[in-house]
Amino acid sequence: AQSVSQHNHHVILSEAASLELGCNYSYGGTVNLFWYVQYPGQHLQLLLKYFSGDPLVKGIKGFEAEFIKSKFSFNLRKPSVQWSDTAEYFCAVTRSGSARQLTFGSGTQLTVLP
Amino acid sequence: DGGITQSPKYLFRKEGQNVTLSCEQNLNHDAMYWYRQDPGQGLRLIYYSQIVNDFQKGDIAEGYSVSREKKESFPLTVTSAQKNPTAFYLCASRHRDRDTQYFGPGTRLTVL
Repeated sequence: AQSVSQHNHHVILSEAASLELGCNYSYGGTVNLFWYVQYPGQHLQLLLKYFSGDPLVKGIKGFEAEFIKSKFSFNLRKPSVQWSDTAEYFCAVTRSGSARQLTFGSGTQLTVLP
Repeated sequence: DGGITQSPKYLFRKEGQNVTLSCEQNLNHDAMYWYRQDPGQGLRLIYYSQIVNDFQKGDIAEGYSVSREKKESFPLTVTSAQKNPTAFYLCASRHRDRDTQYFGPGTRLTVL
């Protein structure tokens, strides 16, 4: 069965620190990869996605992620975090098949200290 | 104003009662999904529907039921058979030709 692992459950950083959140998936076939973010009290929203092409994708609010196929990884990065980046971050993978169900990781809570 | 609405935002029910959570979308999306979010477990798929009058079980369908009588609506019923119903429930939708799912604001269900 396909699975997604996010190894960091809670990350605490000071403002201006660099961020990297890990995401690994188990599926060996073609995948579509997503990072979603859930700010306190807000909808789960799409941060960025990778379907094909350039493995380095840029998303909203200065976030980027790199797809490394050989490592089954899709890590999220940001060079300098802000207090407003405090949120929960979820990595997700689309399963094969037409229904395109998402398999989510367990999430990483990011706390940025001012 | 397009989007996905879920109501109510908070819901309290007594143990043993069935409860129905609403999900409506005006995005003209064909596919709709229900997820359950628990602390430290991410989101898990309960049910999904790709077309009106058709739906499939997800990973944790036991104790839940759905209907899809209209394209815009995909209500979820949490039955008394669900052993641990207290959770945050999220509805999502997707255009049939796109892979990105869009999420509603969620309903927090507490069973007392």
